[in-house]
Amino acid sequence: EAGVVQSPRYKIIEKKQPVAFWCNPISGHNTLYWYLQNLGQGPELLIRYENEEAVDDSQLPKDRFSAERLKGVDSTLKIQPAELGDSAVYLCASSFRQNTGELFFGEGSRLTVL
Amino acid sequence: GDSVTQMEGPVTLSEEAFLTINCTYTATGYPSLFWYVQYPGEGLQLLLKATKADDKGSNKGFEATYRKETTSFHLEKGSVQVSDSAVYFCALTDSSYKLIFGSGTRLLVRP
Repeated sequence: EAGVVQSPRYKIIEKKQPVAFWCNPISGHNTLYWYLQNLGQGPELLIRYENEEAVDDSQLPKDRFSAERLKGVDSTLKIQPAELGDSAVYLCASSFRQNTGELFFGEGSRLTVL
Repeated sequence: GDSVTQMEGPVTLSEEAFLTINCTYTATGYPSLFWYVQYPGEGLQLLLKATKADDKGSNKGFEATYRKETTSFHLEKGSVQVSDSAVYFCALTDSSYKLIFGSGTRLLVRP
């Protein structure tokens, strides 16, 4: 069974540039999550999807971050414009149901903003 | 809000030593508790879980017991191996089922 796939693994951009991350969850997993992980910290939830619907986006900085999950499968997280403080690892995860806490994570996309 | 506190690392042990990584939590309800592990270069993966008080989760020789009276979920292993070197995250699900993580504890096992 294929795991959660994320791309790109690494991205280096200059501040004020846009960036996008892509995630393909495990087949059949209805719930998809984007987490932010700063260096030396635990992951923090940015947004949670149940199929196509964003059911929790309270931690997503909506002035510069956006996300979509068209057709309830793949998802894209975008930052525009990027700031120095956005340098972090962006993790995508999926689960079969949203209330078990049993998440399957991708390897993450490491963003460096110069 | 709900939160998780873990002991700071790194924890450095020799192979076959006993491991304890402390985790305490603050929650308004009755959360489920988890340990996730992140091996070098890999994504986080669930190690074990416990859903109610006095439950013991176990996997790969690791154990943790849900202690409601002390609000703790300490991770233990009787004999660590070099391959256990990783970052370990304690986590809970809050009342809206959101997974909240601690800051992680790095374990380094020397041969």
